[in-house]
Order: sequence, then C-alpha cells, then structure tokens
Amino acid sequence: DTGVSQDPRHKITKRGQNVTFRCDPISEHNRLYWYRQTLGQGPEFLTYFQNEAQLEKSRLLSDRFSAERPKGSFSTLEIQRTEQGDSAMYLCASSLAAPFATDLEQYFGPGTRLTVT
Amino acid sequence: AQSVTQLGSHVSVSEGALVLLRCNYSSSVPPYLFWYVQYPNQGLQLLLKYTSAATLVKGINGFEAEFKKSETSFHLTKPSAHMSDAAEYFCAVSLPYNQGGKLIFGQGTELSVKP
Repeated sequence: DTGVSQDPRHKITKRGQNVTFRCDPISEHNRLYWYRQTLGQGPEFLTYFQNEAQLEKSRLLSDRFSAERPKGSFSTLEIQRTEQGDSAMYLCASSLAAPFATDLEQYFGPGTRLTVT
Repeated sequence: AQSVTQLGSHVSVSEGALVLLRCNYSSSVPPYLFWYVQYPNQGLQLLLKYTSAATLVKGINGFEAEFKKSETSFHLTKPSAHMSDAAEYFCAVSLPYNQGGKLIFGQGTELSVKP
C-alpha cells in the first residue's frame, strides 16, 4: 500500500490554458473524492466517484471542470480555460466505503497546487 | 445539514504548554468526526476519528479529542506542545455512506508553538 498519489505536485499555467491532474487512489478503495482548498480555507468538496460512476458534483464544479475515473482506478480532473480564481490546492482522497460501515476514513494525497498567471 | 465551526483561526502556545483547539459541529444524524493536520504544501494527515465507539478518542502524536453530544463539540487537546506540532489543523464531519460520505471541513486553526 503506497497511499494516494497525485501528479503533478505543482502546476503553473497561463490564464486560458487547459490543465489536467491525475490521482491514483489506494488500490482496493472504491470511493475517490476531489476537494479544492484555497489559501487560508478548509478543503471544499468538488466531486466523488464510486468505482467508475461519478455520483455527485458540487455547485463549485463549473462547466469548465470535468472529472473521470475510467475502470474505477485512477482519476483525472481537467480544468478548461483556466481563470485566476482557479488557483488553489486540489486534493484527492480515497476510501473503502460500504453500507453500515462505521469507518468512513478518507486517505488524502499530497495535493496538486495550481497557480494561474 | 452538517457543518463544522472551528473557534479561533490562530492559536499560539509555548512549547510544553497545553494545546486546545476547538471544534463545534452540527449534524442531523449521529456524526462521524475527524481531526486532520496539514503541514505547509502537503496533503492532510488523519490525527484521530470519532465513529461512535468511545467518546474519548486517542490519536497519533499524543493528541486526543472528546466527543460531547450535549455541547456538540469535538475539541482537540494535547497535554504538552512540541515545536513539531506547528501546523494547520482541520476538524471535519462526514456525511453518511448513503449521502456520499464526503467530508465537510471547518475553516482550520493554525497552531504556532513558541520556544
């Protein structure tokens, strides 16, 4: 178990460019979450997958954002036509969730810090 | 709806002093509560979690938290602060499994430790 990994760790892009981030969850985990954290704030939920199905998207996730989890393994988060307001830390987390489970712990990756200039 | 409020965006203590970080929650169902720590430019590391087994929860690095339903609180404590405890701390409540299990975080408390 190597934990949750994210790539890249840092991304600097110019406004208007597209960016894509990757998250590799813990291998047996069925749920994968994306959060966004701006400076001085707590993480905010963006979206989550159960296996390959995207089950919920936050209102924070505008039409410029899209996420996928093909085959229920790794996930990608793409931002099209980036804006300066997209600058943030993007965190990925995974969990092994089941009905009536008492342990809903999420394991977080190191994050991808996006800077839009 | 679930929500979390952390009282105090910044707490400063001297090395060896008691650490107390406050967290109050709101939940329409029995809550699952978590404390995470974040060091600069890193992800979140779980300190401890409350999942209804015991009201006093012990975590890593000497931290513990007590769940008090009557006060809707889940404050984090450590008897003696160490310089390495300086970091950002987040309290979070989890939605139930059938609501996605997503985490709702507080705004965070930055802990400074003075020598």
